[in-house]
Amino acid sequence: GENVEQHPSTLSVQEGDSAVIKCTYSDSASNYFPWYKQELGKRPQLIIDIRSNVGEKKDQRIAVTLNKTAKHFSLHITETQPEDSAVYFCAASWIQGAQKLVFGQGTRLTINP
Amino acid sequence: EAGVAQSPRYKIIEKRQSVAFWCNPISGHATLYWYQQILGQGPKLLIQFQNNGVVDDSQLPKDRFSAERLKGVDSTLKIQPAKLEDSAVYLCASSLDGRSADTQYFGPGTRLTVL
Repeated sequence: GENVEQHPSTLSVQEGDSAVIKCTYSDSASNYFPWYKQELGKRPQLIIDIRSNVGEKKDQRIAVTLNKTAKHFSLHITETQPEDSAVYFCAASWIQGAQKLVFGQGTRLTINP
Repeated sequence: EAGVAQSPRYKIIEKRQSVAFWCNPISGHATLYWYQQILGQGPKLLIQFQNNGVVDDSQLPKDRFSAERLKGVDSTLKIQPAKLEDSAVYLCASSLDGRSADTQYFGPGTRLTVL
């Protein structure tokens, strides 16, 4: 089955700097890669996603890149702000009768003022 | 639009007791998912429904866990009997059509503590 590895497990950056979180996946059939943000005690919320026919997608300060050949994808947050502090999860999905989503272990991002 | 609703938000039980969680997905969403999220880990899929049928329950510990979605809307997840290792947050999610790569929306979760 699919396996998703996420690094680093914790990341601390100064406010205004950039943050990068990386994920690798094992199943070449995966074709959908969402990123979720989960604040303490809250539900995971989708922040950006990318499909396998696209190499990069950007939404304001957030961007995701996908390298299908290497089977890895990354989340980039620029001009970080204190409200970006949270746990971020990557996931990989493929269709086998129905969409199957496998999550990474999560990255705890802390923005230092 | 209203989001995914779950209840209760918190539950504390002793081992070997039973517990049930309830989920109401976003209106019109055909696909409903139950995930288990152990502290410090990503969500792990337990079971997935397409309308009122199960499409994937390969990671559901069927000797103690059961779930149903009788009318293709609300769903309940039950644990009987509970073990210490079942302590986790149980997340319900829904999507418009699980047969395509569309967004999964999560509920607030139920935090279960087994003593």
